[in-house]
Amino acid sequence: AQSVTQLGSHVSVSEGALVLLRCNYSSSVPPYLFWYVQYPNQGLQLLLKYTTGATLVKGINGFEAEFKKSETSFHLTKPSAHMSDAAEYFCAVRNSGGYQKVTFGIGTKLQVIP
Amino acid sequence: EPEVTQTPSHQVTQMGQEVILRCVPISNHLYFYWYRQILGQKVEFLVSFYNNEISEKSEIFDDQFSVERPDGSNFTLKIRSTKLEDSAMYFCASSEAQRTSNEKLFFGSGTQLSVL
Repeated sequence: AQSVTQLGSHVSVSEGALVLLRCNYSSSVPPYLFWYVQYPNQGLQLLLKYTTGATLVKGINGFEAEFKKSETSFHLTKPSAHMSDAAEYFCAVRNSGGYQKVTFGIGTKLQVIP
Repeated sequence: EPEVTQTPSHQVTQMGQEVILRCVPISNHLYFYWYRQILGQKVEFLVSFYNNEISEKSEIFDDQFSVERPDGSNFTLKIRSTKLEDSAMYFCASSEAQRTSNEKLFFGSGTQLSVL
C-alpha cells in the first residue's frame, strides 16, 4: 500500500520568501513521486517528478524537490515566492511497478502575501 | 501542449438521478482514468481503463458507477443513482502508456458535480 502525508493544509508566505511545502510518503516498493499544482478553476498540472537517478529534481516555474529515502520525504521548495505561485499543491506517489494508480496527498493551499 | 477536455464544467443534479460526465482524452493516449476530489479531501483514484475494459478500480467505484468509451474519442463516467456524497470534483486523466516511468498523466480541468 502507498500513502502520502502533506503537513499543513494552508501555507502563507510573503512574496520573495522561501516556499517549503512538506510531503512524506510510504510505499512498500521504490516509489515514483510527483508534485502537481492546481490553479483556480483549472485541472492538475504536473510540476515535477522523481523516478530514478538524481534525487534533486527541478520542475517548472523554479520549483524543485529532493527525494530523501532515509526520511521518506519529498519536500517542494522554491527560493523566492511569486504572486502567481498561489495555488493548491498536491504531492503524489506511485509504485514503481504495476499500474499507474497514483495516490494523492490532501493538498496544500499556498497563499502568497504581497 | 495537448489537453484533456471535460464537459460540463459544472453539473447540478437531484439525488437519485443519473449523471454522465464526459471526457475527451488526448487522441493518441491509450489509458484513461477517473479521479475525484470531495471538497476539503484528497484526490482519490476511482478507476483506470484500457483496451475497452476496466484495468483497476477502487472500493469507491461500486455498482453505481460505470465507465465507457462509446465512440473511440469520448470517455464517460456514469453514476446511476446519485447520492449526496457523490458531490465532488471529478477529474478525467489519460496517458500514452502505463508502465514506464516516463509516462505522465494529463488531467482535465474537472467537472464539479453537485447533488442536491
